[in-house]
Amino acid sequence: DAKTTQPPSMDCAEGRAANLPCNHSTISGNEYVYWYRQIHSQGPQYIIHGLKNNETNEMASLIITEDRKSSTLILPHATLRDTAVYYCIVRAPMLYNQGGKLIFGQGTELSVKP
Amino acid sequence: DTEVTQTPKHLVMGMTNKKSLKCEQHMGHRAMYWYKQKAKKPPELMFVYSYEKLSINESVPSRFSPECPNSSLLNLHLHALQPEDSALYLCASSQLQDYTEAFFGQGTRLTVV
Repeated sequence: DAKTTQPPSMDCAEGRAANLPCNHSTISGNEYVYWYRQIHSQGPQYIIHGLKNNETNEMASLIITEDRKSSTLILPHATLRDTAVYYCIVRAPMLYNQGGKLIFGQGTELSVKP
Repeated sequence: DTEVTQTPKHLVMGMTNKKSLKCEQHMGHRAMYWYKQKAKKPPELMFVYSYEKLSINESVPSRFSPECPNSSLLNLHLHALQPEDSALYLCASSQLQDYTEAFFGQGTRLTVV
């Protein structure tokens, strides 16, 4: 699985957009970009994933550059409840019947401030 | 029901004890996972089960023994642990299809004394 690089921490004002970058310069053509977040003392929570097109759901938007070497997770209107560690993960297709390995990097600790 | 339920939430055990962690899901997922997370660190993959068979063991010491008795249940049996094994143990499940999300439980916080 390709390695990812994220800033260790970021701050965001409540109500503003939070833009979390991720570098994955060694990503392969069939590897997807996944984002999860982990609020303190809870299990990780899935946010969004994509291959090469931009994706949007009710939680966030994912922007992937054309060369696929980096991506940005956008939380459009951050709230205090979005304070968490955000993990960008590049995931290879499953080997037959082996299940998918989600390998977590260090993540970005996002603090949303009033 | 999109929940993965882990019990107990907290566990304190001595180094000579034997205990088990339990994980349950009713989403029909055929892949289940155990992760270990130390404080201020990301989760580390330990084991992957697919179709109730162990498919990936990330070189985990034998004092951790996983078991998948059926498609809804995943256990982690613990024996002769060390204090450094104290951590949050997370269970997850997913479909056995590419590019789907994994659902995580809230974890069991284990303290070895």
